[in-house]
Amino acid sequence: EDKVVQSPLSLVVHEGDTVTLNCSYEVTNFRSLLWYKQEKKAPTFLFMLTSSGIEKKSGRLSSILDKKELFSILNITATQTGDSAIYLCAVENYGGSQGNLIFGKGTKLSVKP
Amino acid sequence: KAGVTQTPRYLIKTRGQQVTLSCSPISGHRSVSWYQQTPGQGLQFLFEYFSETQRNKGNFPGRFSGRQFSNSRSEMNVSTLELGDSALYLCASRARQGDRDTQYFGPGTRLTVL
Repeated sequence: EDKVVQSPLSLVVHEGDTVTLNCSYEVTNFRSLLWYKQEKKAPTFLFMLTSSGIEKKSGRLSSILDKKELFSILNITATQTGDSAIYLCAVENYGGSQGNLIFGKGTKLSVKP
Repeated sequence: KAGVTQTPRYLIKTRGQQVTLSCSPISGHRSVSWYQQTPGQGLQFLFEYFSETQRNKGNFPGRFSGRQFSNSRSEMNVSTLELGDSALYLCASRARQGDRDTQYFGPGTRLTVL
């Protein structure tokens, strides 16, 4: 059965800290891995990763994928209180599951001032 | 360009009733997927529609159904509601099936079943 596992489930840090969120997966016919940030309502897109070893970067956030070891990490440097959210990792596969994202349960990040 | 919209935003129903939720995708997007989000199970895929046809279905009972109209708007219906159906229901749209574009989520409908 396809699955996506995120760790830790929750994390409390102070402003200025750097955090690393983990996502491992077991999915047949892997197509892409996506990271989303969910504050109160709709998950908002952060990154899509399809190739190993290529870092995607947006401001203080960055992410990389390892297709051999089947995991991805999301790094946030110099965290701010506005980074507090649930970070979701999702994997999409080819074939009969197009349009179907398999989500992990998320990592709840709390950034204290 | 307007984002994905969902109506209603909040809904309270009692067990045994049925409910219909609506999703309007981003203009030009033809694929709509539905997800259920609960604290215990996280985000789980319900089904996906493209060009008025259901293309994929997750592991949910037949009480959960959906449809898509010619303007790409989609509805999902849950019949004979159970307490466990209380959840945030999210829909997401993308430009076309198989496209590498990501899915864009709507704000969700918060359903509470009493």
